[in-house]
Amino acid sequence: DTAVSQTPKYLVTQMGNDKSIKCEQNLGHDTMYWYKQDSKKFLKIMFSYNNKELIINETVPNRFSPKSPDKAHLNLHINSLELGDSAVYFCASSHAPAGGKETQYFGPGTRLLVL
Amino acid sequence: AQSVTQLGSHVSVSEGALVLLRCNYSSSVPPYLFWYVQYPNQGLQLLLKYTSAATLVKGINGFEAEFKKSETSFHLTKPSAHMSDAAEYFCAVGSSYKLIFGSGTRLLVRP
Repeated sequence: DTAVSQTPKYLVTQMGNDKSIKCEQNLGHDTMYWYKQDSKKFLKIMFSYNNKELIINETVPNRFSPKSPDKAHLNLHINSLELGDSAVYFCASSHAPAGGKETQYFGPGTRLLVL
Repeated sequence: AQSVTQLGSHVSVSEGALVLLRCNYSSSVPPYLFWYVQYPNQGLQLLLKYTSAATLVKGINGFEAEFKKSETSFHLTKPSAHMSDAAEYFCAVGSSYKLIFGSGTRLLVRP
């Protein structure tokens, strides 16, 4: 019954590795997002997708590549992981934006630690 | 550009006391404002949101917030804190295809 789910919940890996995080929503939403929460708890948008199309790429390095195979899924692939990529990554979804008043529903987060 | 500022990275209250978490916004257009709560090692849960209807918004768990245009504020309150309210609270402004978050306020509740 989980509305927005992410796998894995925890990810510990070495610098230089490539990893993926998966996100799925069963809310029937058209729009999905990736946010990054840093060690100071600050949350910042990374990507927004609407109907599988990229809408926002908020100056994220090219090593990060989102992919949306369908409206219910938005995956995040990260190449050549760096220490600074250590963070909590949250997936979210919403109905199609209506000027910013739509509620975004968040997944439980993926805690990435790069050693 | 839109932004939100949360005053106080930590707020400590006694159980049963009033909770007041401050949020001020900056926006050139009428804002849509949100409060989310994050419990330890969990995702974000919506507490309440303002979308230009009533200025006093009631949310879950006894929280409410009042939109004050003259003060550009959207402070979160709860009359009586409970131990289970201890968490991180985020104010956010909605923009097309993203939420812009404040820096968060950690609420500590003392027995």
